[in-house]
Amino acid sequence: DAGVIQSPRHEVTEMGQEVTLRCKPISGHDYLFWYRQTMMRGLELLIYFNNNVPIDDSGMPEDRFSAKMPNASFSTLKIQPSEPRDSAVYFCASRLGWDRADTQYFGPGTRLTVL
Amino acid sequence: GENVEQHPSTLSVQEGDSAVIKCTYSDSASNYFPWYKQELGKRPQLIIDIRSNVGEKKDQRIAVTLNKTAKHFSLHITETQPEDSAVYFCAALGRGMIYNQGGKLIFGQGTELSVKP
Repeated sequence: DAGVIQSPRHEVTEMGQEVTLRCKPISGHDYLFWYRQTMMRGLELLIYFNNNVPIDDSGMPEDRFSAKMPNASFSTLKIQPSEPRDSAVYFCASRLGWDRADTQYFGPGTRLTVL
Repeated sequence: GENVEQHPSTLSVQEGDSAVIKCTYSDSASNYFPWYKQELGKRPQLIIDIRSNVGEKKDQRIAVTLNKTAKHFSLHITETQPEDSAVYFCAALGRGMIYNQGGKLIFGQGTELSVKP
């Protein structure tokens, strides 16, 4: 298995532009998580899905952020409009099932820079 | 709300010495506690985990202990090597918002471990 796949790996954009980050979870995994990592705030959970349904989006910073999971093998995190403070590394992660002890695997991350 | 506190934030040791990182959690229902290692520019990767029915678990030079009464758990690395240098995150599995929908990992703030040769 290729593991969790994210694209793009790096994104540089200008303030005000729309940014779309993509994630393909490990095949068969029912849970998908989006995290943001910065030096100041550490690793923050933004939102997570179970069987393509959003379960907890309390970490989404504001209305500029939205996430979707149209099917079991694909999710997007969109920022519109982007701001310099959105610059961070965004990780996607997936987990197998409802057994609370299942291992959570992270993707390689997308490094976003908003100028 | 659910919270995980991790200490210290930075730790510097000499090669061959031991390193200990400590975490406390707030959700008494947490029953799974993984530790992740993140090397510079890389993704977090699971190195060891422990479930609430076990007090200690060891894997070669790495061990984790859990005290459920005190809501503490710790990572112990013995005979440290330069390649152990990384940021280490503890986590606790918090309650899901919807019963039986699984839960979310609550991460500590991270400990930057530096092992000097």
